[in-house]
Amino acid sequence: GQNIDQPTEMTATEGAIVQINCTYQTSGFNGLFWYQQHAGEAPTFLSYNVLDGLEEKGRFSSFLSRSKGYSYLLLKELQMKDSASYLCAVRDGDYKLSFGAGTTVTVRA
Amino acid sequence: DAMVIQNPRYQVTQFGKPVTLSCSQTLNHNVMYWYQQKSSQAPKLLFHYYDKDFNNEADTPDNFQSRRPNTSFCFLDIRSPGLGDAAMYLCATSIYTGTGWETQYFGPGTRLLVL
Repeated sequence: GQNIDQPTEMTATEGAIVQINCTYQTSGFNGLFWYQQHAGEAPTFLSYNVLDGLEEKGRFSSFLSRSKGYSYLLLKELQMKDSASYLCAVRDGDYKLSFGAGTTVTVRA
Repeated sequence: DAMVIQNPRYQVTQFGKPVTLSCSQTLNHNVMYWYQQKSSQAPKLLFHYYDKDFNNEADTPDNFQSRRPNTSFCFLDIRSPGLGDAAMYLCATSIYTGTGWETQYFGPGTRLLVL
């Protein structure tokens, strides 16, 4: 089966940096995705890693180490609107995704 | 704008009363997915269509069925909803481009309440 672990909750202050870790053990690996999900809304795509290293996209960066089965999402210059759940998902075959339970990030003023 | 649309956004049904949720897409993606997501849990894949081919997950209850009459539309039928079926139901789509599979695009979801 697939096992994708991420912390349940994190709290940070506006303007700060938060790092959300994700570890995975899957039967295959064909890319790792991060999604943002605000309460009661659909997940929206943030980033994609298939090779080792860091992908930067504005205030958000994502890192992948395939040998360690590890990824993190880095959120910089936190804003109140960043309060949401962040889902780590692994594509273990051609196109299907397996999701982690999500990390709820609360940004405080 | 091209998008994934789900109707209704909120659905209330009675225990045991059949209910149908709908999803449509203007992206012309060939794969459509249905996920069930309960509070603070990961989205759980119920089934997906690859073009017209239906693919059921092994642990999806028989109570859940799906139809895809054409590329644009996909329906989720819950034949006899139980209290445990109350959840957010997410529809998603994806497509293979020349360089690989794109990310999945999600609709806004339908929140189902079973009374």
